[in-house]
Amino acid sequence: QSVLTQPPSVSGAPGQRVTISCTGSSSNIGVGYDVYWYQQLPGMVPKFLIHGNTNRPSGVPDRISGSKSGTSASLAITGLQAEDEADYYCQSYDTSLSAWVFGGGTKLTVL
Amino acid sequence: EVQLLESGGGLVQPGGSLRLSCAASGFSISNNAMSWVRQAPGKGLEWVSGISGRGSGTFYADSVKGRFTISRDNSKNTLYVQMNSLRAEDTAVYYCAKRIALTDTGGYFDLWGRGTLVTVSS
Repeated sequence: QSVLTQPPSVSGAPGQRVTISCTGSSSNIGVGYDVYWYQQLPGMVPKFLIHGNTNRPSGVPDRISGSKSGTSASLAITGLQAEDEADYYCQSYDTSLSAWVFGGGTKLTVL
Repeated sequence: EVQLLESGGGLVQPGGSLRLSCAASGFSISNNAMSWVRQAPGKGLEWVSGISGRGSGTFYADSVKGRFTISRDNSKNTLYVQMNSLRAEDTAVYYCAKRIALTDTGGYFDLWGRGTLVTVSS
């Protein structure tokens, strides 16, 4: 059971918009720690997509965005493309565990 | 080119030991926070251990505390993790990652190695 909860899977047709939620608690997201997002393409190394809740590093398209509110965060991908099919993970820090924590991951399928 | 390259994985029996290495190039690990993150086959990411940027602080997940030891050799620009009393549940790909943060808490992992597979089995 992950400290950060994500849906196991989401799907959407090409061109559509999908969101992936990440639910934490008062010992991680809710106490003010930032949320980060990673994309892991099949058989590849994780690559970070979003830092500081909403910020995209250079090279990440602006159709990918992040948000945070209270004890939760979300990743949104608009204009879905086949290349977006991957596993997505949220990450934060937990003060109770004194540990960096990841969500269980969400598999995005482009129909 | 900035990169991380892990080595040292392999097959080990339960109760055995293994030391993983992570050679960094293109930057110095001596003033960067570093971590090990693992991924069991078909499973998600799990942070395992970390070492602070400039100081000597070390951090461990409860699942490995007392069994794993993280260290670095600045002269070799290499990060290590010594893994003892290995269990079947330690079977995973182990990634070395550089952490971006201003403090010893929080932050994210901006650079990852390709990983090295550790299999604990008799």
